[in-house]
This record gives sequence, C-alpha cells and structure tokens, in this order.
Amino acid sequence: GESVGLHLPTLSVQEGDNSIINCAYSNSASDYFIWYKQESGKGPQFIIDIRSNMDKRQGQRVTVLLNKTVKHLSLQIAATQPGDSAVYFCAENILNNAGNMLTFGGGTRLMVKP
Amino acid sequence: DTGVSQDPRHKITKRGQNVTFRCDPISEHNRLYWYRQTLGQGPEFLTYFQNEAQLEKSRLLSDRFSAERPKGSFSTLEIQRTEQGDSAMYLCASSLLRRANTGELFFGEGSRLTVL
Repeated sequence: GESVGLHLPTLSVQEGDNSIINCAYSNSASDYFIWYKQESGKGPQFIIDIRSNMDKRQGQRVTVLLNKTVKHLSLQIAATQPGDSAVYFCAENILNNAGNMLTFGGGTRLMVKP
Repeated sequence: DTGVSQDPRHKITKRGQNVTFRCDPISEHNRLYWYRQTLGQGPEFLTYFQNEAQLEKSRLLSDRFSAERPKGSFSTLEIQRTEQGDSAMYLCASSLLRRANTGELFFGEGSRLTVL
C-alpha cells in the first residue's frame, strides 16, 4: 500500500557537523511533504514543509529537498546542535474533499555527540 | 501556556474499562485532530474536526472509539471496553484552516494510555 518510510532508524553526528535525514515515499499524489521533530516525552513539532511542485525549500538552519523522480525527501540540518537530538518524522499531506490528513513515516533518531 | 493542552498525561487502566481523554486546542484554531502513536512509530491519524463537525475518521477508529467536539472548542476521545492493544500515546493537534493544507499542525504532549 501507499506509505512513507525512512532509510535509517538512527543517525549519529558530531556537534557542529551537518546532518542529513532521508525519507522515501510512494504516494505520488501527495500535495505537501512535511518534517516534524519529536523530543522525548513531547508531541511532534512542525519544522518545515515543501509543496509538491517545489524541489527545495530553506528555513532557519534547515533545508528540505524533494526529488519527485525517485520519490525521495531529505532534511538537512546545518551546524547540528545538541538541541537537535530528537526523532525526526517525514509526513505527507494529501488534500481531498474532506480536508487533509497527514501520513507519517516511522522516524529517524538523530543523536548529536558533543 | 497557549499551546495544545491534553489531559490526563498518563492513564493506567484495566482491560475492559472505559477511558476519556480531553484536548484543549489553541483557541483560534478551527481544526482539531486526534492521532495515535505507538513506541518507535510515527503518529497514525484517527479523526479530525473542523469546528464541531467531525469530517473524517480512520478505519483505525473502531466502534469502541468515539470523539466529540461539541462546541467547536475542546474535544474528547473516549475508548470503551479498553483492550491491551489500545495502549499507546494519544496525540491531539490543532491548526488554522489556512495552514492545515500545508500540514502544519500544533501537537499537544499527548495522553499516554496503558491497559493492563
């Protein structure tokens, strides 16, 4: 069935390095792709979204890349900090007559080493 | 704190009992969502409201589950005759209608249910 998934369950990076978290999706009908961050004991927190007709979007220290040819989404975090340690989820949003509902992938844990 | 508020944060119950969770969204948000999350997995959509109208329900939402948003503000999620498989984190989220289409939801910290 249609799904959103991640390549790596755990990513360990040195503080100050750049991080790249990857996600594969299968539903070509998705209108938006979104990245969420979830810290331990907290709810997911919106990071950034990208519309399906774009291939790159930048935020503060984060960049999302969308490659529709290979159905691949990535989140790049520049100068990774200890506060970036969390689980990161990609999600897809399909708009329909009833509105929208997000479909989340399984998550990648980012561990930042001091 | 003007974020999404959920209560209780933790609930331990025996199999067969009923439980109810409450969610208070951000006040100006007209969309409210319920998701369920199990350990190591991403949240799974259960249902959502636009104002007081329940517009969509997932097939995950069995007959034992019911959600309401009677006045278009707070919402409740009730699980009747709980089963061990209901053990999970129940997340509530809200959004502005104009931002909902982009997938920007504001999540609460969740209500963790443990069914013994």
